[in-house]
Amino acid sequence: DTGVSQDPRHKITKRGQNVTFRCDPISEHNRLYWYRQTLGQGPEFLTYFQNEAQLEKSRLLSDRFSAERPKGSFSTLEIQRTEQGDSAMYLCASSQGTSYEQYFGPGTRLTVT
Amino acid sequence: AQTVTQSQPEMSVQEAETVTLSCTYDTSESDYYLFWYKQPPSRQMILVIRQEAYKQQNATENRFSVNFQKAAKSFSLKISDSQLGDAAMYFCAYDLGTYKYIFGTGTRLKVLA
Repeated sequence: DTGVSQDPRHKITKRGQNVTFRCDPISEHNRLYWYRQTLGQGPEFLTYFQNEAQLEKSRLLSDRFSAERPKGSFSTLEIQRTEQGDSAMYLCASSQGTSYEQYFGPGTRLTVT
Repeated sequence: AQTVTQSQPEMSVQEAETVTLSCTYDTSESDYYLFWYKQPPSRQMILVIRQEAYKQQNATENRFSVNFQKAAKSFSLKISDSQLGDAAMYFCAYDLGTYKYIFGTGTRLKVLA
């Protein structure tokens, strides 16, 4: 078990470009979560999946954001037409069964110039 | 609004001494889960300790223990025999059973040799 992995670890993009991040959860974890963490703040919930179903989305997840988990394994988070305000650390986490204990990945740091 | 407050942006402790990090939260729910996570610099968040609100007994994990005061909505973390490796950001969080964490803004802990 290698833990939750995220790719890329760092991404620098120009405003207006699209970016996509990937998260691989711990094997057999059926729940997968995305959070956003800005400097000096705690992580903020964005969305979560149970298997392939997206069960909840935060109001923070504007129309420019989309997340998928097509086969109930890895997940992608896409941001279209990036803005400077999107600069943040994007964290992925996973959990198993009915456990409320989430395991976090190392995050993808996005910088929009 | 559901909030978590960590009133200490930064704390320092001498190696081998004890330190307590404070956390208060606001919810009208009676059943929920509380967590302390540690985020070392440039590394992923790891779970330090968890507490179920229905349990009166305070959770303990080796050198880490909590003081859970449900009526006061307080959930402080005590670190005994502090070690250099304890230096990190510490986040308090809760889950109302919705598989969605609400985090505080964090406390940066410095351990002095």
